[in-house]
Amino acid sequence: DGGITQSPKYLFRKEGQNVTLSCEQNLNHDAMYWYRQDPGQGLRLIYYSQIVNDFQKGDIAEGYSVSREKKESFPLTVTSAQKNPTAFYLCASSRTGLTHGYTFGSGTRLTVV
Amino acid sequence: DQQVKQNSPSLSVQEGRISILNCDYTNSMFDYFLWYKKYPAEGPTFLISISSIKDKNEDGRFTVFLNKSAKHLSLHIVPSQPGDSAVYFCAASSNYGGSQGNLIFGKGTKLSVKP
Repeated sequence: DGGITQSPKYLFRKEGQNVTLSCEQNLNHDAMYWYRQDPGQGLRLIYYSQIVNDFQKGDIAEGYSVSREKKESFPLTVTSAQKNPTAFYLCASSRTGLTHGYTFGSGTRLTVV
Repeated sequence: DQQVKQNSPSLSVQEGRISILNCDYTNSMFDYFLWYKKYPAEGPTFLISISSIKDKNEDGRFTVFLNKSAKHLSLHIVPSQPGDSAVYFCAASSNYGGSQGNLIFGKGTKLSVKP
């Protein structure tokens, strides 16, 4: 079955440490996205990539970095520069030329301790 | 500047009744609209969509209505069931302009269906 997998489900990080969230899809989608969800804030776009080896900043990219070396993978690194990293992170993918919407992963809950 | 607005953070409905979730948008270039349903600690799942060339789309208990002149869409769930209790996100996209087809999400409405 095709799908999008995020790991781990829960992640704890000490302040000042970088951490990388994994996102893998086998849907053959060209585009991939990272969103952050906070209570009362909805889904806010962090980074997106329409094609391999290219990515663009979203609305709240500060303190985050991404790479897109393979079509299937779009890891997100939460750096120590991110002021408030505790959140629920969602990865999504879609076909280029969006008419079908996104397929989302099950999310990663990051907590800074 | 919110382009997609869901002004009701929460909605409570009795089982069997109709649930109506509302969404307003400001960008007249949006040409495709979607509703997603999200349970706690899970990713959103696609529910129903509508193109701007239509004013209604129906799928089982779910119907989405689009009023382009008012820049308003709504999701109707009839009859509502306890399993419908979730957060519902409205989303919009445009294949024109700087958004490059990215989905813009509202902040969500938490629906509670009481038995």
